[in-house]
Amino acid sequence: SQTIHQWPATLVQPVGSPLSLECTVEGTSNPNLYWYRQAAGRGLQLLFYSVGIGQISSEVPQNLSASRPQDRQFILSSKKLLLSDSGFYLCAWASGTKTGELFFGEGSRLTVL
Amino acid sequence: KQEVTQIPAALSVPEGENLVLNCSFTDSAIYNLQWFRQDPGKGLTSLLLIQSSQREQTSGRLNASLDKSSGRSTLYIAASQPGDSATYLCAVTDSWGKLQFGAGTQVVVTP
Repeated sequence: SQTIHQWPATLVQPVGSPLSLECTVEGTSNPNLYWYRQAAGRGLQLLFYSVGIGQISSEVPQNLSASRPQDRQFILSSKKLLLSDSGFYLCAWASGTKTGELFFGEGSRLTVL
Repeated sequence: KQEVTQIPAALSVPEGENLVLNCSFTDSAIYNLQWFRQDPGKGLTSLLLIQSSQREQTSGRLNASLDKSSGRSTLYIAASQPGDSATYLCAVTDSWGKLQFGAGTQVVVTP
């Protein structure tokens, strides 16, 4: 069966520090991978998605970047965190079709102080 | 641009009552619609996936209907239990292959 792992689960970082959140998927190949952010009181915002290694699409201009160094690995990064980067970050995967079901990781809670 | 709306934003029912959650979307050109459950501080758990060619899906006490032409989906949860307390989100896969989420309905089932 397929599983998705996301870490760290909780992170407290000072403003201006770097960020790296990692997500890996097991039990499937060539998945579509997604990073979402869920801010307090707001819905899910799609940040990045990837349909293959090295292929990253950005949905909104921001202080973050994403990379996909391996087929089932998706990394969310920042060189210098802002207060506004605080939120709940969710990684998700779907099969490589438009009709595929989306599965989420457990999320990473980021607090920038 | 596809917009997804969920009404009500919050709902409180006594245990044993049936739950009815609504989701509407503005563009009927969708590939599928998915219902999720989210517990506080947790990720989203997929409940049901309805393809655009289907009218409903059922899983245990859950039943979701889809009326693509009117841009509506309804999630029914029969005989609610306190463990059903969570936020329920719907999402549609639009014609670009991207999921658009509603803001969710927060459900509280009181014993």
